[in-house]
Amino acid sequence: DQQVKQNSPSLSVQEGRISILNCDYTNSMFDYFLWYKKYPAEGPTFLISISSIKDKNEDGRFTVFLNKSAKHLSLHIVPSQPGDSAVYFCAASELRGSTLGRLYFGRGTQLTVWP
Amino acid sequence: DGGITQSPKYLFRKEGQNVTLSCEQNLNHDAMYWYRQDPGQGLRLIYYSQIVNDFQKGDIAEGYSVSREKKESFPLTVTSAQKNPTAFYLCASSRDIFGPDEKLFFGSGTQLSVL
Repeated sequence: DQQVKQNSPSLSVQEGRISILNCDYTNSMFDYFLWYKKYPAEGPTFLISISSIKDKNEDGRFTVFLNKSAKHLSLHIVPSQPGDSAVYFCAASELRGSTLGRLYFGRGTQLTVWP
Repeated sequence: DGGITQSPKYLFRKEGQNVTLSCEQNLNHDAMYWYRQDPGQGLRLIYYSQIVNDFQKGDIAEGYSVSREKKESFPLTVTSAQKNPTAFYLCASSRDIFGPDEKLFFGSGTQLSVL
């Protein structure tokens, strides 16, 4: 049972435009969310995170928005660059509770930024 | 230069054979994790360890075993009981049990294939 869902397996965006990657979750106990970026044959690298006490967190070109009532978060990349082409994973965790210490990942979205 | 080292990068397993994937970290992190990635799938947790000499099963532990005799090392054995071992295996660590502002650091992965 997938508790974190990324329903778009791929996204193609022109360089300079905005990329919006979406993520939905089903477990209302999740209160900490992260985005990871992964290149082929490499491990994921941390991008940005947000806790449930916030609805927005920004770091340079990357902004994550959290809508708790809709159990939805999104990652915005502005402006998109060809080097952003990678698989993006959404992940969620409970900061309290029985699954403390575990991250649940979505299936990833392949972002392609073309010139 | 701190990080997580996984070896080998590529590994082949014969039918009925046990193989061990190495994971070493010099980040002085207490917690370590093993994830498995299949094509089109998210990362799924196999085992995790929050402290030396302790480890917990993740969501897909069957057919795998681990040990945590040293803080720096968390090897994963893929046993012959794992019927579908072909996948990309990722080791990760975090400073402490996962909590606010914590994030996982990943190794570069091991691709395991069955001959």
